[in-house]
Amino acid sequence: NAGVTQTPKFRVLKTGQSMTLLCAQDMNHEYMYWYRQDPGMGLRLIHYSVGEGTTAKGEVPDGYNVSRLKKQNFLLGLESAAPSQTSVYFCATRDGGTGLYEQYFGPGTRLTVT
Amino acid sequence: EDKVVQSPLSLVVHEGDTVTLNCSYEVTNFRSLLWYKQEKKAPTFLFMLTSSGIEKKSGRLSSILDKKELFSILNITATQTGDSAIYLCAVEAGTYKYIFGTGTRLKVLA
Repeated sequence: NAGVTQTPKFRVLKTGQSMTLLCAQDMNHEYMYWYRQDPGMGLRLIHYSVGEGTTAKGEVPDGYNVSRLKKQNFLLGLESAAPSQTSVYFCATRDGGTGLYEQYFGPGTRLTVT
Repeated sequence: EDKVVQSPLSLVVHEGDTVTLNCSYEVTNFRSLLWYKQEKKAPTFLFMLTSSGIEKKSGRLSSILDKKELFSILNITATQTGDSAIYLCAVEAGTYKYIFGTGTRLKVLA
């Protein structure tokens, strides 16, 4: 079991370039999340999905888009990267339903926008 | 506005010391409070707390929740250099919505 994986691990972009981050999970979890982590600011939610074909905005969605065409994959897109999007991006998953569950995190993607 | 506040922001101790990390929260629709340990990469789950006064333990780590005063503590006894990490507190506020604190960075010196 790979758990939660993220691709790529590192990336450097120039301002205005676009890219897509891939999160893949093999735990059959319904819920998937994208966070960014910046020094002194903790984890902030960008977008999340409660199931295949559904997505919703989190706390800091501007400049990002997401898609969940398959249950096991959650894509995060940056259409026109800005230096303010330099950050470490984490994907997380959670089991579905109304029970109490922890989140499982991927290893992160370090993105630098110059 | 939902918020989770952790203190201290950072802490340096020597091996063998005992440390207490704090997490206070103000959220609507509290469901659970979670502690994670983050070393170089992904946060890893430590504890989930839902009821006041019931201590959760795992080896040298323990945690307790006070739902009346809206806080939790994470204790680490006999610290080791391998305990050096960022410790994150998160509160599930409504189904599938998690609010994270900024974390406490712990460094344990040999």
